Amino acid sequence: NAGVTQTPKFRILKIGQSMTLQCTQDMNHNYMYWYRQDPGMGLKLIYYSVGAGITDKGEVPNGYNVSRSTTEDFPLRLELAAPSQTSVYFCASSYYQRQGASLNEQFFGPGTRLTVL
Amino acid sequence: AQTVTQSQPEMSVQEAETVTLSCTYDTSENNYYLFWYKQPPSRQMILVIRQEAYKQQNATENRFSVNFQKAAKSFSLKISDSQLGDTAMYFCAFMKPRTGNQFYFGTGTSLTVIP
Repeated sequence: NAGVTQTPKFRILKIGQSMTLQCTQDMNHNYMYWYRQDPGMGLKLIYYSVGAGITDKGEVPNGYNVSRSTTEDFPLRLELAAPSQTSVYFCASSYYQRQGASLNEQFFGPGTRLTVL
Repeated sequence: AQTVTQSQPEMSVQEAETVTLSCTYDTSENNYYLFWYKQPPSRQMILVIRQEAYKQQNATENRFSVNFQKAAKSFSLKISDSQLGDTAMYFCAFMKPRTGNQFYFGTGTSLTVIP
């Protein structure tokens, strides 16, 4: 059980380039999240998904896109990289059900450090 | 949006001593969850402890305990018998059980345990 995995661990992009940050979880969690963490700050929610085919914006969605075609995968796409997107990106997942016990806690991946020059 | 405030950017404590990290939050919700996460230099986010707002009893996990004051909207973390491995950033987080179960994080407290 690997938990939440993210690739790549590090990446340097030039302004205007695009890339996809990959996130996979093997815990059969229905909810998945993308956060960014700027230096000295807490985590800010970019996008989240409550199940395959369903995504929604968080606090800071501008400049990003997501998709959720399977339960396991939740990639984050940067279309036109800007220096303001230099940050550490975390993917997380959790399990929720309307009836019965839910974990509620979020399980995090190890993060991707992205630098845009 | 909910706001979570951690007013202590940095703290230090002697090994084996006790330290308390503070957290306050602002919400109009009555049902919610609160969490403390630890982020060591490895960057991995690790759950330390959680509290359901409808439970009056303060949560404890071994050396970690919370002081949850619902009326004051305060959720402090107490670490007893501090160990060198407790050196990390600590984030307080608020979650309301609505669509998406979104988390709102504070800006963190950097804790250093001094040998």
